[in-house]
Amino acid sequence: DQQVKQNSPSLSVQEGRISILNCDYTNSMFDYFLWYKKYPAEGPTFLISISSIKDKNEDGRFTVFLNKSAKHLSLHIVPSQPGDSAVYFCAALSGGTSYGKLTFGQGTILTVHP
Amino acid sequence: NAGVTQTPKFQVLKTGQSMTLQCAQDMNHEYMSWYRQDPGMGLRLIHYSVGAGITDQGEVPNGYNVSRSTTEDFPLRLLSAAPSQTSVYFCASSNPNQPQHFGDGTRLSIL
Repeated sequence: DQQVKQNSPSLSVQEGRISILNCDYTNSMFDYFLWYKKYPAEGPTFLISISSIKDKNEDGRFTVFLNKSAKHLSLHIVPSQPGDSAVYFCAALSGGTSYGKLTFGQGTILTVHP
Repeated sequence: NAGVTQTPKFQVLKTGQSMTLQCAQDMNHEYMSWYRQDPGMGLRLIHYSVGAGITDQGEVPNGYNVSRSTTEDFPLRLLSAAPSQTSVYFCASSNPNQPQHFGDGTRLSIL
């Protein structure tokens, strides 16, 4: 039973345009969300996070939006660059849960074309 | 500045063999975790630890054992390897209220 779902296995975008990666969750106890980026043959690296008390968090080209009522979050990358081509995972934590217990989505492969 | 180091990077085992995947971190992190990544499944938590001497099960613990005798090391043991355990294994560490740092993974194939 997948509690965190990324329903788009892949996304292709032109350089300079916006990339929007989506994530849905079913567990209403989740209250902290993270995005990780993963290149081939490397481990995931932390990108950006958001607490459930916020609806937006921005860090440079990356913005995460959270819609609690819809149990949906999205990652916006503007402008997209070829170096952003990677697998993006969203992950979630529930209140009081150790950061050692992330629940991940399946991942979305982003390809940014020059 | 090693971060999280996993060894070996690749391993091929026969069904029934046992082995230990090593994980070491040099950041003095309290929390350490093991995940496996399978196609279409994302990363799933196997076991985790919130400090030396303390471990607990994650989502998919069967067939795996862990121990945490030191802050730095968190080995994952496969007792009797099965083809279903073919996967890429990631170790991660963090301090409380901080995102996890991941190692580069161990690719394990079981024939």
